[in-house]
Amino acid sequence: DVKVTQSSRYLVKRTGEKVFLECVQDMDHENMFWYRQDPGLGLRLIYFSYDVKMKEKGDIPEGYSVSREKKERFSLILESASTNQTSMYLCASSLIPHSEARETQYFGPGTRLLVL
Amino acid sequence: GDSVTQMEGPVTLSEEAFLTINCTYTATGYPSLFWYVQYPGEGLQLLLKATKADDKGSNKGFEATYRKETTSFHLEKGSVQVSDSAVYFCALSDRLKNTGNQFYFGTGTSLTVIP
Repeated sequence: DVKVTQSSRYLVKRTGEKVFLECVQDMDHENMFWYRQDPGLGLRLIYFSYDVKMKEKGDIPEGYSVSREKKERFSLILESASTNQTSMYLCASSLIPHSEARETQYFGPGTRLLVL
Repeated sequence: GDSVTQMEGPVTLSEEAFLTINCTYTATGYPSLFWYVQYPGEGLQLLLKATKADDKGSNKGFEATYRKETTSFHLEKGSVQVSDSAVYFCALSDRLKNTGNQFYFGTGTSLTVIP
């Protein structure tokens, strides 16, 4: 079974702190994604990566950065946390599809971040 | 651009009732379609998927048929259980500009099943 793990289930941080959210997958997937989930807005893509050291902005990258130094690990960084970044953060991974079929995304359990 | 629209909740049903959650999509290419489920306090899990027109995805009594003519992928279950209470997300997958695929999610529909 594919396993995607996230370093914390719950985090409480103060405004201005630097925050690291870690995600690890054990299935040798090329693609990794960070989303935030907010009530009424569904999932919104922050950043994704399709290879080591490669990253692409998603729909809402402002205030975030990412790092992918190893294939299995994708980190989301909040350089200076703000209260509007209080949210549920979900990491996902997927294979690069080798055919017309589109590959499934596999999700971690999520990190609920509260910024005070 | 690509997008997914699903019916707003919350939906409350009695046990053994019939469930339909509507989902329609907009896509420039030929996407794959998915339903994901999120149980309280957990991440999203794949429920079912369909990769081409007229395909039917099914799992745990849930079904959805990929309808290209109506650009729809409605989720149905004939008899819901209390354990089906969760948030359901419709999603589509299309090619990323470099490689791999990008997902577009609906806003989610919360389902509560009461005994």
